[in-house]
Amino acid sequence: AQTVTQSQPEMSVQEAETVTLSCTYDTSENNYYLFWYKQPPSRQMILVIRQEAYKQQNATENRFSVNFQKAAKSFSLKISDSQLGDTAMYFCAFTHFGNEKLTFGTGTRLTIIP
Amino acid sequence: KAGVTQTPRYLIKTRGQQVTLSCSPISGHRSVSWYQQTPGQGLQFLFEYFSETQRNKGNFPGRFSGRQFSNSRSEMNVSTLELGDSALYLCASALGGLWYFGPGTRLTVT
Repeated sequence: AQTVTQSQPEMSVQEAETVTLSCTYDTSENNYYLFWYKQPPSRQMILVIRQEAYKQQNATENRFSVNFQKAAKSFSLKISDSQLGDTAMYFCAFTHFGNEKLTFGTGTRLTIIP
Repeated sequence: KAGVTQTPRYLIKTRGQQVTLSCSPISGHRSVSWYQQTPGQGLQFLFEYFSETQRNKGNFPGRFSGRQFSNSRSEMNVSTLELGDSALYLCASALGGLWYFGPGTRLTVT
C-alpha cells in the first residue's frame, strides 16, 4: 500500500526566512509523481510543485523547490524568502503513473510570522 | 482557462437526507475525482471518473455514489446522511499527471 508521511504537524518561521517541510513515502513502484499542495485558510487546494520520479533534477517553481531523494523515498519542500501569503497547510501527495488517485499525507501547518 | 468549479459552496442538511454536489472540470480535462477532507481522517479518495466511467473507487460505503456526464461535469451523491459525513468535499480535474482542485463544498449534517 502507498503511504505518505509528514512528520511535522506544525512549523513557524519568520518572514523572509527559508523553511523546509519534510515528506517521506512508501512504494514498490518505480514510476510515480510526487506533489506539494498548499491549502490556505480559504480551503482552496493549490498545486505548488510536481516532481516526476524518473527525473533526477529537482523541480523548482520560483521560491519553491524540492529535494527529491528517490532511494531514501524522501521529498522535502523548501520555501525561500517566505512571505505572509505562504501561511497555509501544506500537503505532500503521491500517485503512480497511470493511477487515478492521489494519496495525501496528513499535512504540515506552516505559519509565517511577520 | 477557468478553473475547477464546485456548487454549492456550502450546504447544511439534516441527518437522513440526501445531497448532490456538482463539479465542472477545467475545459479539456476528462478525469474528475472526488475527495473527502475531515479533521480526523484527512484527505480521502472517494472515486474517479473518466469519460463517464468510474475507474477507481475508495473505501466508502455505498451511500456515496457519483457519475460523470458527456461534458465531463460530475456529480456526487450521498444518501441517508450521517453526522460523520460532515466534511469538505473536494473535486479535482486531471490531465497529463496534474491534478487541479476546486474550492470545495462544505457540507454540514445536523
